[in-house]
Amino acid sequence: DIQMTQSPSTLSAPVGDRVTITCRASQSINKYLAWYQQKPGKAPKLLIYEASSLESGVPSRFSGSGFGTDFTLTITSLQPDDSATFYCQQYDLFSVPTFGQGTKVEIK
Amino acid sequence: EAQLVQSGAEVKKPGESLKISCKVSGYRFDDYWIGWVRQMPGKGLEWMGIIYPGDSDTKYSPSFQGQVTISADKSISTVYLQWTSLKASDTAIYYCARPVDGDWGQGTLVTVSS
Repeated sequence: DIQMTQSPSTLSAPVGDRVTITCRASQSINKYLAWYQQKPGKAPKLLIYEASSLESGVPSRFSGSGFGTDFTLTITSLQPDDSATFYCQQYDLFSVPTFGQGTKVEIK
Repeated sequence: EAQLVQSGAEVKKPGESLKISCKVSGYRFDDYWIGWVRQMPGKGLEWMGIIYPGDSDTKYSPSFQGQVTISADKSISTVYLQWTSLKASDTAIYYCARPVDGDWGQGTLVTVSS
C-alpha cells in the first residue's frame, strides 16, 4: 500500500501567518491527493481535492499544490477558526486509500 | 447532495459480534467506491477498506484484512462493517466515507468493554 508522510506533526503560529504543511507519497499518485480538516468531535471536512482544486464553500486562504509524490497545503492568512488537525489522503484507488499522520495546527 | 447516515453508537463485550451500517442517498450508490475509516481515541484516521457496490469488488488495508468484513446491499443503498469477535482494541469511532468525493457519515462510536 502507498505510505503518506506528512509534516510537521504540530505547528503553532499567530493569526495572519502563512503556514505550509507537506505530504510525500511513497510512490507516484498523479494528482489524486486530498486535504481534510478535522475539528474535535467532528467528521473530517474536505478542503482540497485533486491536489489543487478548492472544494466548494472552502475559504480561498486554503490552497494546495503538487503532483506525483510531493504535495503542500498552504493557509495564506491563518485565522482562529483554522485551529484543527489537517490530513492528506491519497486516493489512486488501485489500492486502499491512505492518510498522512496528521498535522495539528494551533493558534498562538 | 450526497448524504451518508450511520447507525447509532454501540457498547459490546469482548468476543461479541457486531455489524454497523451506513445508508447513502443523493447519488448512484452502485457507481462509486465507498469505505470505512477508523479513528481510535486521540489518534489519526485509518482507511480500513473500500467496496465498489456495483460489483462488490472489495479492497482491505493490510492491517484490517481478515479482521473485519465490508459488504454492501445495493437494494437499500447501504454499506456495512462487520466483526465476528470484537476486542477491546476495536474501541473507536468508525466513519463511512467516499474516498474520491469526500463525503462522510457522522461516525459511529463502538465501545468494547467487559
